[in-house]
Amino acid sequence: GENVEQHPSTLSVQEGDSAVIKCTYSDSASNYFPWYKQELGKRPQLIIDIRSNVGEKKDQRIAVTLNKTAKHFSLHITETQPEDSAVYFCAASHDRNKLVFGAGTILRVKS
Amino acid sequence: GAVVSQHPSWVICKSGTSVKIECRSLDFQATTMFWYRQFPKQSLMLMATSNEGSKATYEQGVEKDKFLINHASLTLSTLTVTSAHPEDSSFYICSARDYAGGPYEQYFGPGTRLTVT
Repeated sequence: GENVEQHPSTLSVQEGDSAVIKCTYSDSASNYFPWYKQELGKRPQLIIDIRSNVGEKKDQRIAVTLNKTAKHFSLHITETQPEDSAVYFCAASHDRNKLVFGAGTILRVKS
Repeated sequence: GAVVSQHPSWVICKSGTSVKIECRSLDFQATTMFWYRQFPKQSLMLMATSNEGSKATYEQGVEKDKFLINHASLTLSTLTVTSAHPEDSSFYICSARDYAGGPYEQYFGPGTRLTVT
């Protein structure tokens, strides 16, 4: 089955700097890669996703890149703000199959 | 659109009792719902996949007789934790996939905090 690894487990950045979180997946059939932001005690919120027919997607300060050959995808947050502090999870799935989540990254943005 | 609710948002129960958690899709039909468990500072672990009108598919290591899942309609799935023990204390989150939408996105409920004393 699918296995998703996520790094780093914690990331501290200064406000205004960029943050990058990386994930690798094992199943070459996976074709959907969402990223979620979760605040303490809350539901995961989808912040951006990418499908395997696209190499990069951007939404304002957030971007995701996908390298199908290497089976890895990354989340890029530019101009970080204190409200970006949260836990971020990557995930992978194939069509209607289940999502497999990474272990999560605690992002701290210091002001 | 695409709102998923859960009830209750938190529950405290005594060891040995059962507790039911409801997951509802409010504005769409969900043929598939997923149940996750999340322990503190850990990731979401899929417990089971629930399809309307059929038996749930449980992940390896999840006791189907302990975690009863029912998906009786296109808008409601329930998770019953039977004979709860303190180690079942966790954050339970459901998600639903829109029947009419694309095959990919899941919409998450707000979660239910279960504490077993």
